[in-house]
Amino acid sequence: ETGVTQSPTHLIKTRGQQVTLRCSSQSGHNTVSWYQQALGQGPQFIFQYYREEENGRGNFPPRFSGLQFPNYSSELNVNALELDDSALYLCASSSRAGVGGYTFGSGTRLTVV
Amino acid sequence: DQQVKQNSPSLSVQEGRISILNCDYTNSMFDYFLWYKKYPAEGPTFLISISSIKDKNEDGRFTVFLNKSAKHLSLHIVPSQPGDSAVYFCAAVVGAGSYQLTFGKGTKLSVIP
Repeated sequence: ETGVTQSPTHLIKTRGQQVTLRCSSQSGHNTVSWYQQALGQGPQFIFQYYREEENGRGNFPPRFSGLQFPNYSSELNVNALELDDSALYLCASSSRAGVGGYTFGSGTRLTVV
Repeated sequence: DQQVKQNSPSLSVQEGRISILNCDYTNSMFDYFLWYKKYPAEGPTFLISISSIKDKNEDGRFTVFLNKSAKHLSLHIVPSQPGDSAVYFCAAVVGAGSYQLTFGKGTKLSVIP
């Protein structure tokens, strides 16, 4: 059973650019959530997808958007990057209701310069 | 406004002794609480959880205590082992079926051999 895999592991972008981060859910998981973890902070909920529909969103602007595909993999897109977007982006998947079933990936470290 | 607070950024404990990690919350709607452990370059790993209808949950060396009136929970690790050295995050949700975790900033535990 494979876990949650995220790509790339690291990347550097310039302010104003756009970025796409990818997540492959654990086999059998149909729900995926994305979190942003800034340096020295705990992870902060961005949004959640269930069966290709967004069904929960945290306090993030619309330039943060996502997709979930039929195979339950997911993308996080961020437009018009700002310096404060520099963070570790974590993807988590689950096959059942409740956060106890979450499996987190190792994250993508995004640096905006 | 930080709804989940971990006021100790770091904690050092001797191997074999008890580690106590604390967490306070302000949102009285939270009714399910979780602890995650995070090693460098890895995603958070679920450790233990507790529902607000309980005041204690135990799993091997790990015990979580919940004091609803004080809006306080703690994680006890007995005995502490060097492999327990990691960052520990307290998290809370409204409804155990929810996916939207609210995390604290984490406490870095160092277990000294």
